[in-house]
This record gives sequence, C-alpha cells and structure tokens, in this order.
Amino acid sequence: GESVGLHLPTLSVQEGDNSIINCAYSNSASDYFIWYKQESGKGPQFIIDIRSNMDKRQGQRVTVLLNKTVKHLSLQIAATQPGDSAVYFCAEKAIQGAQKLVFGQGTRLTINP
Amino acid sequence: DVKVTQSSRYLVKRTGEKVFLECVQDMDHENMFWYRQDPGLGLRLIYFSYDVKMKEKGDIPEGYSVSREKKERFSLILESASTNQTSMYLCASSPVRGGTDTQYFGPGTRLTVL
Repeated sequence: GESVGLHLPTLSVQEGDNSIINCAYSNSASDYFIWYKQESGKGPQFIIDIRSNMDKRQGQRVTVLLNKTVKHLSLQIAATQPGDSAVYFCAEKAIQGAQKLVFGQGTRLTINP
Repeated sequence: DVKVTQSSRYLVKRTGEKVFLECVQDMDHENMFWYRQDPGLGLRLIYFSYDVKMKEKGDIPEGYSVSREKKERFSLILESASTNQTSMYLCASSPVRGGTDTQYFGPGTRLTVL
C-alpha cells in the first residue's frame, strides 16, 4: 500500500553543521512531495515542496532532493541553528488529481550547542 | 500569508459530551481537512471537504462528523466524546488553483476527554 516513512526517527547535529533528513516513499505514481516542520505545541509549517518532474529544489538554507529511481526524498538544512530544532515530516500526494496527502511519521531534529 | 485559525488551543471535555472544533481560513481555499495527531501514529485524516456543503471521509471518520456551511469555515464534531478521542486535532486548507498542492495548517487543538 501507499506509505511514506523515514529512515531515522531522531537526528542530533552540532550547531552550524548541515543536517540531512531522509524519507522513503512507496508509490512511484506520486507526483508531489512536501516537507513540513513542526515545533513543539504548534501545527506543521510548510518548508519546501517539489514536483516529480524535478530532482532538486532550493529554498532559503534548505534543499530538497528527489530520487525517483529509489523512491527517496531528502531535506538538507544548511548551517543548522537552534531554531531548527523540531520534528520534520515528509508528505506525499499519492493519487493523481486528488488533494489527499500521506504523511511520514516524522524525524526529531535536535541541535547540540 | 495563509492563515488558518482554530477556535481553541486546549480543550477539556467529559465522556459523552458533544464537542465542536472550529477552523477558519482566510485565503479563500476550496479544500479543508481535519487530522488527528497521536504519538507513533503520525497525522491521520479524519474528514475533508472540497467545497461548501461537500464532505468526504478520510481514513478514520468513525466517531466524528463535519460541517461546512461557509467556504472559510470547517467544523469537526464529536457527537459523544470518548477517552480514545483525546488527541491533537489539526485543521488544514489548500487551494484548488494556484499551482500548489500544499496544505496549510492551523496551530492545533489539544483535546482531552476525561
């Protein structure tokens, strides 16, 4: 069935280092992917998205990479800051034309000073 | 910026009570969604709506109903609250047009049923 998962449930990085958060998806027909950030006690916040006709997309300090061959998605955060501490979710739009998203379980990113 | 607001951040109710959770979005989005979020289970879709007075069941609709009388407002109703409905409830909205499929979330309502 359709599923979106994460390789690691927790990730600790040193402040200033780059962070890489991974996500695997199972539906090769998925055409849209999103990364969300959720801070404690808040709702998920949109970070960046990518469509399946792209391999890479960059935002401010963040880059999303999509490898359709192995059905893998990653979020790279450059120069990680304390404010980046949060749970990061990937989401997948798995049905052509529908608006439903399938969410991964999330990875908790912790920044060490 | 898209703004999705939810009527309460924290709510405590008793078993058997009827509970209303309200969500309002100010970006004229056609689609609105209700999720619940539980540790280890992630976000699960309860109901969604494509338009006014339209509703579709999500993955876990049992024990819930919804109402969408106006485009900007989507209500989640727990007809008779039970302790297993203690959870974080998240509302989201997304546009049909505009070139994005992104869903924008509200801050969440943490509901405790005693």
